[in-house]
Parts: sequence; C-alpha cells; structure tokens
Amino acid sequence: GAGVSQTPSNKVTEKGKYVELRCDPISGHTALYWYRQSLGQGPEFLIYFQGTGAADDSGLPNDRFFAVRPEGSVSTLKIQRTERGDSAVYLCASSLMGNEQFFGPGTRLTVL
Amino acid sequence: QKEVEQNSGPLSVPEGAIASLNCTYSDRGSQSFFWYRQYSGKSPELIMSIYSNGDKEDGRFTAQLNKASQYVSLLIRDSQPSDSATYLCAVNIGTGGGNKLTFGTGTQLKVEL
Repeated sequence: GAGVSQTPSNKVTEKGKYVELRCDPISGHTALYWYRQSLGQGPEFLIYFQGTGAADDSGLPNDRFFAVRPEGSVSTLKIQRTERGDSAVYLCASSLMGNEQFFGPGTRLTVL
Repeated sequence: QKEVEQNSGPLSVPEGAIASLNCTYSDRGSQSFFWYRQYSGKSPELIMSIYSNGDKEDGRFTAQLNKASQYVSLLIRDSQPSDSATYLCAVNIGTGGGNKLTFGTGTQLKVEL
C-alpha cells in the first residue's frame, strides 16, 4: 500500500518568508509525527498528533512553528518568519496505535 | 550525557562478516526500541523493533536488548555492500514519554568487497 507522502520534496525560501510543509500519512494510521533532521544528526522530535489534536508539541523550537491536522489525516507544518537556522530536512512519520513509526521521504527546506 | 548514544563510526566490515552496532540509552524506564536504516539522501527506514529483554531475529538482522545494562544492539549477519548505510537507534524514552522517539546520531556502516 501507499506509504507516507510529503510535499514539496524541496523548498527554497528567503529569510523572513512563511512556508507550509504537508504530510499525508499511511491510510488508517491515527498517530502522526513531525521531526527534523540536520546533517550528521538523528531526527529530532517536533510534534505528535493523535487524531486531530496535538498530544505533544514539546519539540517545537519556538512560536514561529505551528502544525495542524484538522481532519485527523493530512497534517501541515507551518513556519513563520523563516530563519537560516530552520534549514533542515523535515520528516513526517505515522503509526498505528503509536508504536512502530514509518517515515515519509521528507521535505528539504533551505532558507537563504 | 546524551539520552541515546551511538558510536558515529564509520564501522568497516568485509562482505560476508557480521556487523555489530551498539546503542546505549539513559532512561532506565524506557520500553520501546527501534533500529532504522538510512541511506544517504533518503529518509529513515524501520528495520527492527524490540520491546523485551533478549534477542529478536528477522532474516539477517538480530536485535538484542538488555534493559539492566541500558543497552540495545543490532547484528547484521552475512553483511552485503547494500547494507552500507547509517543505522539509527531510536528509543521511546521513559514510561510517560508518550510516543515520541529520541534518536542517536547514527553509526555509519561500510561493507567492503
């Protein structure tokens, strides 16, 4: 079956701009996670949804970052006033009942 | 002390040998442990999960967990050049940590012909 999909695959933006990254989880998976990965590092947790609600947003670095999952399926990660330090690969994962997590291909964000 | 620690490598093994990848974690209450494989430029791919002390085998892969020593390992038998990748250890830290995973920095494995 189809895996986790993420769009766009690459996003280049200028410092100060707003970006939206989209994640479409595996069908039927109730849990959705956002991570970001910098070069040479493991993925770093950002936020976790169970259904429509954010069950844990403790990883969001500051209030420029926000994520939604209005219908309990697709999620959008929104970053306001982007900074060069936001450049990373943003990974989305989904799981059934919160155990094994399966990752999408990621969105590479570059802030110039 | 980092919550999840791995040797960054690279770990070089000859084709056909056993590769042994190690990971330690800080929270004694952690319950769920995962190994992911990540090829350069690609996203992590789940290869093993383990929840109980002991060994869990799946094909050429064996995960080993020792909660008393806070240690989890991955053995790859009959290593192939296609196994060359970065292997990430991930832990669901603590008993009340929800479902978020904490990752190590990964060990780079090189399987040489």
